[in-house]
Amino acid sequence: QVQLQESGPGLVKPSETLSLSCTVSGGALNSGPYYWNWIRHPAGKGLEWIGRVYTHENFKYSGGTTYNPSLNSRVSISLDTSKNQFSLQLTSLTAADTATYYCARGLQHIEGATSVWFFDLWGRGTLVTVSS
Amino acid sequence: DIQMTQSPSSLSASVGDRVTITCRTSQSIGHYLNWYQLKPGKAPNLLIYAASHLQNGVPSRFSGGGSGTDFTLTISSLRPEDFATYFCQQSYNTPFTFGPGTTVDVK
Repeated sequence: QVQLQESGPGLVKPSETLSLSCTVSGGALNSGPYYWNWIRHPAGKGLEWIGRVYTHENFKYSGGTTYNPSLNSRVSISLDTSKNQFSLQLTSLTAADTATYYCARGLQHIEGATSVWFFDLWGRGTLVTVSS
Repeated sequence: DIQMTQSPSSLSASVGDRVTITCRTSQSIGHYLNWYQLKPGKAPNLLIYAASHLQNGVPSRFSGGGSGTDFTLTISSLRPEDFATYFCQQSYNTPFTFGPGTTVDVK
């Protein structure tokens, strides 16, 4: 079965750039249609959707991204199909970026003319602390 | 952004209890509403998608309802493994947003 696993540094200094990867095992990243997402959860607060990257079994349709406007200027999500991974880069870190970061697969349910996206698979999350 | 609220923020219950959690959105979203269960150290688990569809493998004691701006997640008979935090999430438009969560703990 498909599983997701986040990896990256647990501690990053303020003003630096965070780089996280999500490895997809048990299935091909470049299939779908899927959206591959990053979501974070600061301790004691709600979940925040960071952004997503699209893949399709026809590769020419893959790679499109959507970001949360609250982070838009600082975030980038990319695909590495050779490693079956997708990655997050978040720049200009502050203490407010301290959180557990999750990767998640987005799948759609089509009913008539509507298409509802949901996160059907998640990684266990990785805690990132921003501190000097 | 679509704002999400959940009530209650926490509740204490016993095994066998019927539990209902409410999620409200700041604008009508049709049935574009999903529910997740979160336990410490574990991957979040999708329970319900499109307001009322039970995800494969999720026990039938979980059910979802509602449309528009008001939604519910019901656990018909609470099991020990159901003590967790539950989040609703709208996928009507981006940025996707989540409710603040409801923690179900042992009475």
